[in-house]
Amino acid sequence: DVKVTQSSRYLVKRTGEKVFLECVQDMDHENMFWYRQDPGLGLRLIYFSYDVKMKEKGDIPEGYSVSREKKERFSLILESASTNQTSMYLCASSLTPGGPPGNTIYFGEGSWLTVV
Amino acid sequence: GDSVTQMEGPVTLSEEAFLTINCTYTATGYPSLFWYVQYPGEGLQLLLKATKADDKGSNKGFEATYRKETTSFHLEKGSVQVSDSAVYFCALSINNAGNMLTFGGGTRLMVKP
Repeated sequence: DVKVTQSSRYLVKRTGEKVFLECVQDMDHENMFWYRQDPGLGLRLIYFSYDVKMKEKGDIPEGYSVSREKKERFSLILESASTNQTSMYLCASSLTPGGPPGNTIYFGEGSWLTVV
Repeated sequence: GDSVTQMEGPVTLSEEAFLTINCTYTATGYPSLFWYVQYPGEGLQLLLKATKADDKGSNKGFEATYRKETTSFHLEKGSVQVSDSAVYFCALSINNAGNMLTFGGGTRLMVKP
């Protein structure tokens, strides 16, 4: 089975702190994604990466950056955390872009971040 | 742009009731359609999918048919169980466009014994 592992399930950080959320996948997937989940808004794409050292902005990149130094690892960085970044963060991965239609995207269990 | 609209919840049903969760979409290209489920405290799991018009996805008693003429992908189950209580997300990805998912807002289903 594909496994997407997020390093922290629950974090509490202070306003202004730098926050790292780590994600690792074990299926040699090219694509990796970071989503944010908020009640009533569904999931919104923050950033995605289709290869090592490559990154593309999603729908809500402001206040976030990402790093992909190795194929299996995709990190989300909050340079200076703010209270409006309190949310559930979900990492996901999938096979190559341009793969077959309906290529399945696999999700991690999520990281609950509270910024106080 | 692409978007997915699904009925707001929560939906509360008694065990063995019939379930329908409506989902409609707008897409700039030819989409694949998905239903994901999120059980309490967990991430999202793929429930079912359909990649072309008139395809029916099915899994665990759930079904959804890709209706291009009505741009819909409604989720149905004939007899729900308490264990089906979860949040259900409808989503699309545009074929040959990087597999990025666009999600609906999610519908919480609560099934009472």
